[in-house]
Amino acid sequence: QSALTQPASVSGSPGQSITVSCTAANNEVGFYNYVSWYQHHPDTAPKVVIYDVSRRPSGISNRFSGSKSGNTASLTISGLQADDEADYYCCAYVGSGSYWVFGGGTRLTVL
Amino acid sequence: QVQVLASGGGVVQPGESLRLSCAVSGFTFSSYGLFWVRQAPGKGLEWVAFISNDGTKTYYGDSVKGRFTISRDGSVDTLFLQMNSLRLEDTAVYYCAKDVVGGDYYFYMDVLGMGTTVTVS
Repeated sequence: QSALTQPASVSGSPGQSITVSCTAANNEVGFYNYVSWYQHHPDTAPKVVIYDVSRRPSGISNRFSGSKSGNTASLTISGLQADDEADYYCCAYVGSGSYWVFGGGTRLTVL
Repeated sequence: QVQVLASGGGVVQPGESLRLSCAVSGFTFSSYGLFWVRQAPGKGLEWVAFISNDGTKTYYGDSVKGRFTISRDGSVDTLFLQMNSLRLEDTAVYYCAKDVVGGDYYFYMDVLGMGTTVTVS
């Protein structure tokens, strides 16, 4: 069982905004700032879309944004497009012991 | 442009061994930490192992500790994962990844390529 909890699914219509949450059971997200988000289309390599809670790697659309409040990190996608339909995973580096922990993943459906 | 060739996957029986390789190009190999990440059928992503850019630090997920060994060879820009005592639950697509930033800031994974499939059956 993941220490990071994500909703199983979210959905939105093209042009809308959606937010995916990632909540730590034991304040791991709240204590560390090393949170990242990954987009995973079937049969492709997962792609990092946010790191350092809110930074975007080069080439990632500014429609993707990240934030953190308390023990919950969030990924917001604005101006939804059909190609955004994918699985999204949060990940936290939690230091010695578990090191890197992924959330269970959220399936985004663009209606 | 980063290129990767992952290989070594296959079908094995429980208890057997496999060695995965990930040959990379397009970035300065010695500047980046490297990871293995996997996804079991119908499951989410799971971090497996990490090796620092200079090879001095290695970390493992609890589910593979003591059975898997990560290593790197800078002479051929290749990452390896030696997998021993394989279990049914090790069945997954295995991806190699480099850290996003480089150097000592190795907290994020940039997954490279399509991965290689390991089936334990």
